[in-house]
Amino acid sequence: QKEVEQNSGPLSVPEGAIASLNCTYSDRGSQSFFWYRQYSGKSPELIMSIYSNGDKEDGRFTAQLNKASQYVSLLIRDSQPSDSATYLCAVKINDAGKSTFGDGTTLTVKP
Amino acid sequence: EPEVTQTPSHQVTQMGQEVILRCVPISNHLYFYWYRQILGQKVEFLVSFYNNEISEKSEIFDDQFSVERPDGSNFTLKIRSTKLEDSAMYFCASISQVNYGYTFGSGTRLTVV
Repeated sequence: QKEVEQNSGPLSVPEGAIASLNCTYSDRGSQSFFWYRQYSGKSPELIMSIYSNGDKEDGRFTAQLNKASQYVSLLIRDSQPSDSATYLCAVKINDAGKSTFGDGTTLTVKP
Repeated sequence: EPEVTQTPSHQVTQMGQEVILRCVPISNHLYFYWYRQILGQKVEFLVSFYNNEISEKSEIFDDQFSVERPDGSNFTLKIRSTKLEDSAMYFCASISQVNYGYTFGSGTRLTVV
């Protein structure tokens, strides 16, 4: 079983729609959860951090965490073509500092 | 906005040669990392560095790899004898608190021929 698993893509949504990206993780000791956006040929860029169960909203982005189900998701509302990228889920265990990344889900937003 | 700076952006080297990848983390950050990403694959942890010593390293980070913080600003990754399979994007990252998300540098594309 992969340590961090993301729903297989690619994911395509029309402009203005909601994009839903999902991630599961295997280690129940995981405490910090992140979503990064990575444009092709570029470095990952942090877009959301979440540490406790529930929802966290930042602009058009909402991260959801359910530790009991070992599940974290990212919703992108009013998707724009500029949101087209690969979205990486990353998980940290305790205070080790190291993050484990999923394979990523590629999102395409069609005008 | 503060940035993590990496140089060079692209390096081509012959197999067996030594390479040094350089990073300047954000000035008030305390934790430093190297990750790599082989083309089309996931981002993989190499090493973490805190308080002038390695705090954790992966299986990838074998004796051919080393890290150093030679002064108060630079953070380097050295590969002593490069192999074809070392070809990848290498990202430096830093954070101020250990549970925070990373600020990544723009990366160094290493091509071993």
